Amino acid sequence: EDKVVQSPLSLVVHEGDTVTLNCSYEVTNFRSLLWYKQEKKAPTFLFMLTSSGIEKKSGRLSSILDKKELFSILNITATQTGDSAIYLCAVEASNTGKLIFGQGTTLQVKP
Amino acid sequence: DSGVTQTPKHLITATGQRVTLRCSPRSGDLSVYWYQQSLDQGLQFLIQYYNGEERAKGNILERFSAQQFPDLHSELNLSSLELGDSALYFCASGGGMADTQYFGPGTRLTVL
Repeated sequence: EDKVVQSPLSLVVHEGDTVTLNCSYEVTNFRSLLWYKQEKKAPTFLFMLTSSGIEKKSGRLSSILDKKELFSILNITATQTGDSAIYLCAVEASNTGKLIFGQGTTLQVKP
Repeated sequence: DSGVTQTPKHLITATGQRVTLRCSPRSGDLSVYWYQQSLDQGLQFLIQYYNGEERAKGNILERFSAQQFPDLHSELNLSSLELGDSALYFCASGGGMADTQYFGPGTRLTVL
């Protein structure tokens, strides 16, 4: 059965800290891995990763994929209170676009 | 704002009833995806349509059905509603058959 597992499930840090969120997967016909940030409502897209070893970066956020070890990490440097959210990892199976989501990591950044 | 619109924002109904949720994808997107998010199950993929045709099916109950119309908007029909159907229902759209998905604001369904 396809599955995506995220760790930790929750994390509390202080502003300025650096955090690393983990996502491991077992999915047949892997196509891509995506990271989303969910605050109060809808998930918003952060990154899509398809190739191993190529870091994607957007401001203080970065992510990398390891297709051999079947995991990805999402790094957030110099965290701010606005980074507080649930971070979702999803793996896209085959070419249908079906996304399999992990449980999410709830990040709380304290002032 | 992702460009995906969903109506209504909130829906409260009773068990046994039927409801229709509506989604308009981003301009130019041909794919529409439906997801259910509940507290105990997390985000679950329900179904995907691409340019009017059903493309992939996930954990969608037989009581649920969906369609995508020629103007590319989509509707998710939920019938014989049960208390356990209470959840947030998201629609997402993407450009191709398997493209980055952008989520709408969701419809919160409460079944009493």
